[in-house]
Amino acid sequence: KNEVEQSPQNLTAQEGEFITINCSYSVGISALHWLQQHPGGGIVSLFMLSSGKKKHGRLIATINIQEKHSSLHITASHPRDSAVYICAAQDRGGSEKLVFGKGMKLTVNP
Amino acid sequence: NAGVTQTPKFQVLKTGQSMTLQCAQDMNHEYMSWYRQDPGMGLRLIHYSVGAGITDQGEVPNGYNVSRSTTEDFPLRLLSAAPSQTSVYFCASSGTGGNYGYTFGSGTRLTVV
Repeated sequence: KNEVEQSPQNLTAQEGEFITINCSYSVGISALHWLQQHPGGGIVSLFMLSSGKKKHGRLIATINIQEKHSSLHITASHPRDSAVYICAAQDRGGSEKLVFGKGMKLTVNP
Repeated sequence: NAGVTQTPKFQVLKTGQSMTLQCAQDMNHEYMSWYRQDPGMGLRLIHYSVGAGITDQGEVPNGYNVSRSTTEDFPLRLLSAAPSQTSVYFCASSGTGGNYGYTFGSGTRLTVV
């Protein structure tokens, strides 16, 4: 059983749509990370959060510690948002280790 | 700041050959780590280090060695390459203390034939 689960695994949307990507985890964490990977590209850190909500431009990340669930929202989606979005749980034991979900492939069509 | 510099970007090895993947960061991060990324699987931790002189195994350490002689550098060595090590490898670094994001290198696509 994966310790970090993401849903859906794939999502296709039309430009302008509001998108939600979900992440559930079963381990105790010190923080939850959202990462973005474009096709053939490197990995970029979008958010690190341990409680509440963070916003950066059109991206919003939320976390519910009690329910062990996090969501990444994209408002007014654009084709350049097409990428794989990866959720990762940071170990609570102080080792800084990350446990990764398998990622969600988002395609935004114009 | 260059961030995390990872070299080479591409490499083809023959089975049994050895090589070193280089990783360097200029952010004075204490934590550095190596991951492999395979189709259909999430990133998996190979080895990590919480500071110079300190390394530890991750989830999939077999066939790989690391060392951390300086804060900046964290090379990954493949001792005797096998086709199962064909993958994309990422190096990452982070500050410690639970309040720092991760910075990833651009990745190395390794093919072992």
